[in-house]
Amino acid sequence: GQNIDQPTEMTATEGAIVQINCTYQTSGFNGLFWYQQHAGEAPTFLSYNVLDGLEEKGRFSSFLSRSKGYSYLLLKELQMKDSASYLCAVRDGWGGGATNKLIFGTGTLLAVQP
Amino acid sequence: GAGVSQTPSNKVTEKGKYVELRCDPISGHTALYWYRQSLGQGPEFLIYFQGTGAADDSGLPNDRFFAVRPEGSVSTLKIQRTERGDSAVYLCASSLMSVENEQFFGPGTRLTVL
Repeated sequence: GQNIDQPTEMTATEGAIVQINCTYQTSGFNGLFWYQQHAGEAPTFLSYNVLDGLEEKGRFSSFLSRSKGYSYLLLKELQMKDSASYLCAVRDGWGGGATNKLIFGTGTLLAVQP
Repeated sequence: GAGVSQTPSNKVTEKGKYVELRCDPISGHTALYWYRQSLGQGPEFLIYFQGTGAADDSGLPNDRFFAVRPEGSVSTLKIQRTERGDSAVYLCASSLMSVENEQFFGPGTRLTVL
């Protein structure tokens, strides 16, 4: 079956660092995505990992370990506007006729406090 | 350029009625996806088009749901005999194939079945 787990809620302080974990068990794997979703809005792309290791992009970094089925999103220098839901998603396949769908976790609601 | 657009933004209907939800993808994006998101959950895959054809419709919950993309651009998700459990936000996303990894999401259509 397909299973993606991430914490339901987290709280952090403005200016701090927070790490949001994601573990997955899926029948196929061709990349892991992190999306940010503010309440009532569409998900927006944050990061993509397909090989093991850390990808850094400004204040956001994402890590992947395929052997462990594990990823994390690291947010540095937290700002109030970072309060949102963070969605971990696994891509189930790749082109050439195979599916390219994303399988999402339930999301982690991050509250940044002053 | 313009992003993914969806109409209507909100749709209220009565149980048993038929509804159509429209998605205009980003120009030139050959791949188009429909997802459904319930409150407090991550998006759930419904169907994926590559060009005009449905490459993967494994996420459609039953035969009341149908989607088309006749000219490889605009797509319409059709729901027959709506039920209260169909109430959700229906998200559309598009992407380039083979090169682009990111799926760009539209703002969604909030469907409420009374």
